[in-house]
Amino acid sequence: AQTVTQSQPEMSVQEAETVTLSCTYDTSESDYYLFWYKQPPSRQMILVIRQEAYKQQNATENRFSVNFQKAAKSFSLKISDSQLGDAAMYFCACQTLNDYKLSFGAGTTVTVRA
Amino acid sequence: GAVVSQHPSWVICKSGTSVKIECRSLDFQATTMFWYRQFPKQSLMLMATSNEGSKATYEQGVEKDKFLINHASLTLSTLTVTSAHPEDSSFYICSASERRGGRQETQYFGPGTRLLVL
Repeated sequence: AQTVTQSQPEMSVQEAETVTLSCTYDTSESDYYLFWYKQPPSRQMILVIRQEAYKQQNATENRFSVNFQKAAKSFSLKISDSQLGDAAMYFCACQTLNDYKLSFGAGTTVTVRA
Repeated sequence: GAVVSQHPSWVICKSGTSVKIECRSLDFQATTMFWYRQFPKQSLMLMATSNEGSKATYEQGVEKDKFLINHASLTLSTLTVTSAHPEDSSFYICSASERRGGRQETQYFGPGTRLLVL
């Protein structure tokens, strides 16, 4: 079984600034995927970014990038040039490749100030 | 691509009735679908894993006779809440993924179904 911890219940960022969300995980598996999902007020879960554990290079998607530290089991998300539309709850998740189940963190609510 | 739909988006029902929620993958074949439950301002809780053509696998504490799951085709899975009671009121979300090259790909989520049992 894996556990995912998000220690920041809420984060606030000024529009156009950068915010970093932290996530740590624990798994005994050697091969797994890590994800960040965004859930806006509509409650639709949207994939933000995905990282394969065997890849050393950090994943990036436009203004979103991760800092994947495998040894430390850390997977933080950086949102650059924050926009009002980035306001949402962000979930970190770990998926092992034996059963493909996703384990989610508790979530971090991001507020963007205009 | 990777669009998942859910129907209905909103349902209100009387206590004791059954409610069926559909989850469809619109542009890919979903070998596996997952059903989650989410309470307000909380994380997603996995209820069950559904593989096409086989019985669903339920998480510990989830009553399989209460939450019936059927995955009869590669594009459709259904969750039926039987004899619903007010404590079953929640937000139910499905996700779907396809298998490529021996690996299960990313889960894509439906928009969710809000269930209110009176």
